Amino acid sequence: GIQVEQSPPDLILQEGANSTLRCNFSDSVNNLQWFHQNPWGQLINLFYIPSGTKQNGRLSATTVATERYSLLYISSSQTTDSGVYFCAVNSGGYQKVTFGIGTKLQVIP
Amino acid sequence: DVKVTQSSRYLVKRTGEKVFLECVQDMDHENMFWYRQDPGLGLRLIYFSYDVKMKEKGDIPEGYSVSREKKERFSLILESASTNQTSMYLCASSLGGLGNSPLHFGNGTRLTVT
Repeated sequence: GIQVEQSPPDLILQEGANSTLRCNFSDSVNNLQWFHQNPWGQLINLFYIPSGTKQNGRLSATTVATERYSLLYISSSQTTDSGVYFCAVNSGGYQKVTFGIGTKLQVIP
Repeated sequence: DVKVTQSSRYLVKRTGEKVFLECVQDMDHENMFWYRQDPGLGLRLIYFSYDVKMKEKGDIPEGYSVSREKKERFSLILESASTNQTSMYLCASSLGGLGNSPLHFGNGTRLTVT
């Protein structure tokens, strides 16, 4: 099956710093999603982005499907950005979604 | 907003018990999913359903079964709970179609099997 790799596995930022998270995938995909899991375990869908660039406030994402990667940008980080960020892809003809193992982000004051 | 509700936030069961985890969504979504999340392993798909009474095995279906008698409800069943099924269980739903709609998750059920 498709492989999804995320980097870095762990990241510590000072509040106000910017960061880039990366997701590589091993095969062509129908869609790609970014999620944030907060410290209480809730998973929130940040972006649904099979290709191109999207922005939502301080967050933006870019997927280059032909080169099999996606980037999540976090600008002016805040402590509430802490948690785990997951990349998830769908490559089959139905709704089977495969997740990476995540990037754990800690933003310190 | 889509709401996916899991019946229990925390659950403690004994080895050998039959365990039911319930999930309900309120947006008439066709697809529903059960994942488990373990440290260092990310989220792994147990089962999914693309219609009432339809189900497909995911990557780790062993030891689990599912039921979808109504469109809004998807149940995960542990026929005989074992300690290696201690985990966080996450239910999700999506609109439908061929992989072209975002996933929405419930808050999760942290199951401990003793």
